[in-house]
Amino acid sequence: EVQLVESGGGVVGPGGSLRLSCVASGFTFDIHGLSWVRQAPGRGLEWVAGINWNGDSAGYADSVKGRVTISRDNAKNSLFLQMNSLTAEDTALYFCARDCSAFEWLATGICFDPRGQGTPVTVSS
Amino acid sequence: HSALTQPASVSGSPGQSITISCTGAHTDVGGFQYVSWYQQHPRTAPKLMIYEVSNRPSGTSTRFSGSKSGNTASLTISALQPEDEADYYCSSYTSSGTLVFGGGTTLTVL
Repeated sequence: EVQLVESGGGVVGPGGSLRLSCVASGFTFDIHGLSWVRQAPGRGLEWVAGINWNGDSAGYADSVKGRVTISRDNAKNSLFLQMNSLTAEDTALYFCARDCSAFEWLATGICFDPRGQGTPVTVSS
Repeated sequence: HSALTQPASVSGSPGQSITISCTGAHTDVGGFQYVSWYQQHPRTAPKLMIYEVSNRPSGTSTRFSGSKSGNTASLTISALQPEDEADYYCSSYTSSGTLVFGGGTTLTVL
């Protein structure tokens, strides 16, 4: 059973930083690309960042480029998102997701944990 | 890449068919066969319903189908059922090596 458990969210002031984590289980971690997807309250989905299966290629949404770094530790089945210079526009629920197919970064859809709760980030003074 | 354009809402009666459009550009929807569709019920994580324009993951009802013409992709749901009421999002791979979502469409089953 695939599980993706996010953590690290919280309340932070404008200009602050947070590091989100996602621990995965139930699938072969090191052959799947991974993404962070966020959803602001009452709003739609926004892809934030993605990283391929071995970590040597990453991509970022324009809205976060230069402020966010995605990384992974295949030995620990873990995904991370370092977020800096946070603004109110970054307030959202952050989901971790995996590429549904192995070795197919972003191409064949991304799969969320059906029981995934996400981790909430609130940027407020 | 700007968010893909979807209608804010669509509605239909049980048993009817509806279609949701998703319009992008030649640098995303029009340039690749990598359009996906997701269903999201309130307070739950999104679920992949269609990938690579028209492929259904195992477990997705055959009532869901996808297509694409030019820069516009479409999701059709036939024989609407009450449980289909949800938000639907399209996504596309982009020429920048990123992913972009549509703004989302709320489906109401009357």
